[in-house]
Amino acid sequence: DTGVSQNPRHKITKRGQNVTFRCDPISEHNRLYWYRQTLGQGPEFLTYFQNEAQLEKSRLLSDRFSAERPKGSFSTLEIQRTEQGDSAMYLCASSLPPDRVGDIQYFGAGTRLSVL
Amino acid sequence: RKEVEQDPGPFNVPEGATVAFNCTYSNSASQSFFWYRQDCRKEPKLLMSVYSSGNEDGRFTAQLNRASQYISLLIRDSKLSDSATYLCVVNMGFDYKLSFGAGTTVTVRA
Repeated sequence: DTGVSQNPRHKITKRGQNVTFRCDPISEHNRLYWYRQTLGQGPEFLTYFQNEAQLEKSRLLSDRFSAERPKGSFSTLEIQRTEQGDSAMYLCASSLPPDRVGDIQYFGAGTRLSVL
Repeated sequence: RKEVEQDPGPFNVPEGATVAFNCTYSNSASQSFFWYRQDCRKEPKLLMSVYSSGNEDGRFTAQLNRASQYISLLIRDSKLSDSATYLCVVNMGFDYKLSFGAGTTVTVRA
C-alpha cells in the first residue's frame, strides 16, 4: 500500500493521559499536514511540515499538542494531558510541492481518539 | 464567518436523478478549489479539482464562480454508490492550508 498510513486507527484513553499518533506519508511527498475532524464538521487544519521543518501551527493546536517530523519522513502528533474535548478523528495528509501536479493533498484513514 | 460554507443537506434522491449543490467561500484571494468525497467514518478522498472554466469528470460537473465566490457540484444519473458526504475545499494557493466546508450529505435511494 503506497498511500498515507496512520497508526493506530483507534485509541481510547482516559482523561489526563498522553497519546501519540504516527503518520507515514506517501514516500515522495515532502509536505505533511495534520487535521482534526469532529462529528458533523469538515477537517480543520492543525499543522504543516515541509520536510522536517514545522512551518505553521493553527491556533487550535494548544500547548498540550506537539508534532514532529524528525527526518522529513514520518510524523508524530502527541497530545499531553488529554481532555474530553480532544476526542476527534486526527487526519494526516501529504502532498508534493504545488509546482508539481498542483497542491492536491492525499489523506490517511485517520486515528480516531476517544477520551473517557 | 466560516471560510467555507455548505448546505448540509441531506439531499435524498432516487437512482438516476440529478442532484446539485453549492458552497460559498469568504476569501476572494483563494486560488485552488476542490471537491472531496467522504464516506462514513472514512478519510476524505479527492473527487475532482475545480477550474475556472468549469470541468466535468464523467457524471460529475464542477463550476467555479469567482465573482460570486461560490463553487457548485452536479451529479447526473445518480448511483447508489454516490451516497456520501461531499466536502467543498478551498486553498489560498500561496500557502498550504486547506479550508473545508462541513460537507453536504447525499443519499441515493433505490
